[in-house]
Amino acid sequence: EAQVTQNPRYLITVTGKKLTVTCSQNMNHEYMSWYRQDPGLGLRQIYYSMNVEVTDKGDVPEGYKVSRKEKRNFPLILESPSPNQTSLYFCASSLSGLVGTGELFFGEGSRLTVL
Amino acid sequence: AQSVTQLGSHVSVSEGALVLLRCNYSSSVPPYLFWYVQYPNQGLQLLLKYTSAATLVKGINGFEAEFKKSETSFHLTKPSAHMSDAAEYFCAVTRPGGSYIPTFGRGTSLIVHP
Repeated sequence: EAQVTQNPRYLITVTGKKLTVTCSQNMNHEYMSWYRQDPGLGLRQIYYSMNVEVTDKGDVPEGYKVSRKEKRNFPLILESPSPNQTSLYFCASSLSGLVGTGELFFGEGSRLTVL
Repeated sequence: AQSVTQLGSHVSVSEGALVLLRCNYSSSVPPYLFWYVQYPNQGLQLLLKYTSAATLVKGINGFEAEFKKSETSFHLTKPSAHMSDAAEYFCAVTRPGGSYIPTFGRGTSLIVHP
């Protein structure tokens, strides 16, 4: 089954404790992206990747890191989480990052709470 | 730069009534436009998309949207709402010929009353 898998789905952590949210897709997609969803603000892009070893900042990259060492994986790293990073996070992928007609496939989301 | 505006953060309809969710875009060139739906506790999934072919686009679950260049709109409609349509709906836009970096609207929550 074609899918984007995120882990963990739910996480409660404390300020400053490094954490990683993993994202994996099995569709051989080139493009991957991370979004955060907050009430009243919709979806905001954190980072995206056009292909392996190619990443770039989205609209709200502060406090986050990403890497794309393999095509299928695109982990989101919070080096020192703060309460304002409490949010619902989505990973998404698409066949290509160079043509804007493709469909984005989303994971089921990771709800993060930072105390 | 492209952007989308979704009018109304919440829309409430009765079961069987017409659903109309509004989306207006801003783009320097004719855009590609999308509607995504997010059911409770799930990720987003594509409802339909406009990519410069037919201006009236039909999607899943009886939804459709019409691209109107003169009004810079891409409103989503469904003739008869069902309880299962209750969800968050997002309009998104990308720029033809550019990299695939969609811009999403803030979303509209559709509430369906029995």
